[in-house]
Amino acid sequence: KAGVTQTPRYLIKTRGQQVTLSCSPISGHRSVSWYQQTPGQGLQFLFEYFSETQRNKGNFPGRFSGRQFSNSRSEMNVSTLELGDSALYLCASSTLGHPTDTQYFGPGTRLTVL
Amino acid sequence: AQTVTQSQPEMSVQEAETVTLSCTYDTSESDYYLFWYKQPPSRQMILVIRQEAYKQQNATENRFSVNFQKAAKSFSLKISDSQLGDAAMYFCAYRSREGAQKLVFGQGTRLTINP
Repeated sequence: KAGVTQTPRYLIKTRGQQVTLSCSPISGHRSVSWYQQTPGQGLQFLFEYFSETQRNKGNFPGRFSGRQFSNSRSEMNVSTLELGDSALYLCASSTLGHPTDTQYFGPGTRLTVL
Repeated sequence: AQTVTQSQPEMSVQEAETVTLSCTYDTSESDYYLFWYKQPPSRQMILVIRQEAYKQQNATENRFSVNFQKAAKSFSLKISDSQLGDAAMYFCAYRSREGAQKLVFGQGTRLTINP
């Protein structure tokens, strides 16, 4: 079974632009979560989607948004990019998003904002 | 809010020896899950081991085992017979039973294996 895939793997943008990152979960998985990883703040939870609905949200500004499609693929969008948005963005999927489920992570998208 | 603390930014161990990584957490909940994830240079997070708080028995996965002390809110990872492939960042993480899939991570410990 294929793992979690994220596209693109690397991205360079300039301040003020917007960006869309994509995550395809493991086949059959319906829960997708997003995390931001930076050297200063570490790993921080952005949001979780289950069956096309946002189920949980972290403490990030409204510039960060996401959505999930009927095939469970998810996208996250960051508008009006700031230098501090440079980070590794990780996506994780699980079967039903139940607390006992194991989350499987993708390889991440490295976003650089210039 | 829950917090996770890893007090050892870096650790090193000789190949074939045993190393223990520390993790403490703070929560007012009684039922939750704890995890150790490994992040090698490839950056892909890999689950190493998980522990359910209601289980008193410490989890083990081959060379990896945990020492879960619920009252002390401590969750350490022991790696036996360390191998070069164990070199990575190790993250301790907490997940509430009620918080769906939200993981709260510690700052990580970089483990180096000396040949």
